[in-house]
Amino acid sequence: SAVISQKPSRDICQRGTSLTIQCQVDSQVTMMFWYRQQPGQSLTLIATANQGSEATYESGFVIDKFPISRPNLTFSTLTVSNMSPEDSSIYLCSVGGSLYGYTFGSGTRLTVV
Amino acid sequence: AQTVTQSQPEMSVQEAETVTLSCTYDTSESDYYLFWYKQPPSRQMILVIRQEAYKQQNATENRFSVNFQKAAKSFSLKISDSQLGDAAMYFCAYEWTDKLIFGTGTRLQVFP
Repeated sequence: SAVISQKPSRDICQRGTSLTIQCQVDSQVTMMFWYRQQPGQSLTLIATANQGSEATYESGFVIDKFPISRPNLTFSTLTVSNMSPEDSSIYLCSVGGSLYGYTFGSGTRLTVV
Repeated sequence: AQTVTQSQPEMSVQEAETVTLSCTYDTSESDYYLFWYKQPPSRQMILVIRQEAYKQQNATENRFSVNFQKAAKSFSLKISDSQLGDAAMYFCAYEWTDKLIFGTGTRLQVFP
């Protein structure tokens, strides 16, 4: 299965600022997924990113708040924009499929103060 | 809409004993995949086991096995010979059109 390197592992940010999270995969993948895990909660899909096209966002998530880039088949970034304390969560990227299961990055723990 | 329900927020088990974590889901699809993921305090999501809905045989991975009841839409995880390293949050997930829908999780404690 693919190995994902996710950075940063954690950050503390001021409200109103933005943070960009990076995920690097050790093999080429068609789709990359971004999830949010709010404190004590389960994972919720934010968007699906395909290389060469705009990301597809789930209900409740918008591009202005969570812009995603997918410049090639091994890399993607998620930006959390104009942050508020409610954005404090763990953000995870994922690749894979039903055949072998999905692999996740190690997560970014974001705290907004 | 597809939903996944884990009715046990917390479970505990004695080391070397067996524990079963429950999961039910709702779908109108006939062909889908189900997963159990483990999330230790490190936050890393680790795939424990997967099940293809069209396969009647229950999946098994070493000490981990599932009881898949398609008609009842039930997908429970059995952990045999529990070890201290099994302590973690366990999430049941349903895959639909490349999207994973997760349950709320069960926190498993393992006592020596």
